[in-house]
Amino acid sequence: KAGVTQTPRYLIKTRGQQVTLSCSPISGHRSVSWYQQTPGQGLQFLFEYFSETQRNKGNFPGRFSGRQFSNSRSEMNVSTLELGDSALYLCASSLEGLMNTEAFFGQGTRLTVV
Amino acid sequence: DQQVKQNSPSLSVQEGRISILNCDYTNSMFDYFLWYKKYPAEGPTFLISISSIKDKNEDGRFTVFLNKSAKHLSLHIVPSQPGDSAVYFCAASGRAGKSTFGDGTTLTVKP
Repeated sequence: KAGVTQTPRYLIKTRGQQVTLSCSPISGHRSVSWYQQTPGQGLQFLFEYFSETQRNKGNFPGRFSGRQFSNSRSEMNVSTLELGDSALYLCASSLEGLMNTEAFFGQGTRLTVV
Repeated sequence: DQQVKQNSPSLSVQEGRISILNCDYTNSMFDYFLWYKKYPAEGPTFLISISSIKDKNEDGRFTVFLNKSAKHLSLHIVPSQPGDSAVYFCAASGRAGKSTFGDGTTLTVKP
């Protein structure tokens, strides 16, 4: 069974640009969540998608958005990039959602904004 | 407002000894708690979990204790091994359906 796949693994962008990250969940998983990890900040929840609908949202500005396709694959978009957006972005999939169940994480996309 | 806190950013123990990682939470609506382990350049992997109806869950060398009245949980690793060196994240979830993570504790197990 293939794990969670995130592409690309590494990305360098300049301030003001936009970026799209992709996540393919484990087959059969309908929930995909996105997290931002920065040094000293732990894992900050961005949003969760379930069956193509955003079900939960963290406290990030509107520049951060996402979507989920009918095959459960998800994309995350960040517009008007800022230096502070440099981070590891992790995607996690689970069968039904993050409540009372473990999540399976991808290896992450390391975004560097210069 | 950080609802899940891991107050120790790092912990160093000798191989063979016990590692105790602590986690505190503030939201009484949390009813499921998980620990994840993360190696550099990899995503976190699930380690062990506990439901709020229990106060202890064991899985091999790993035991999680939950003290609901104190809103505190801990992960015990006995005996600690060098391969356990990683960042450990505590996470809590409730009916809202999203997991809230702590900032992580970096465990170093010295041979």
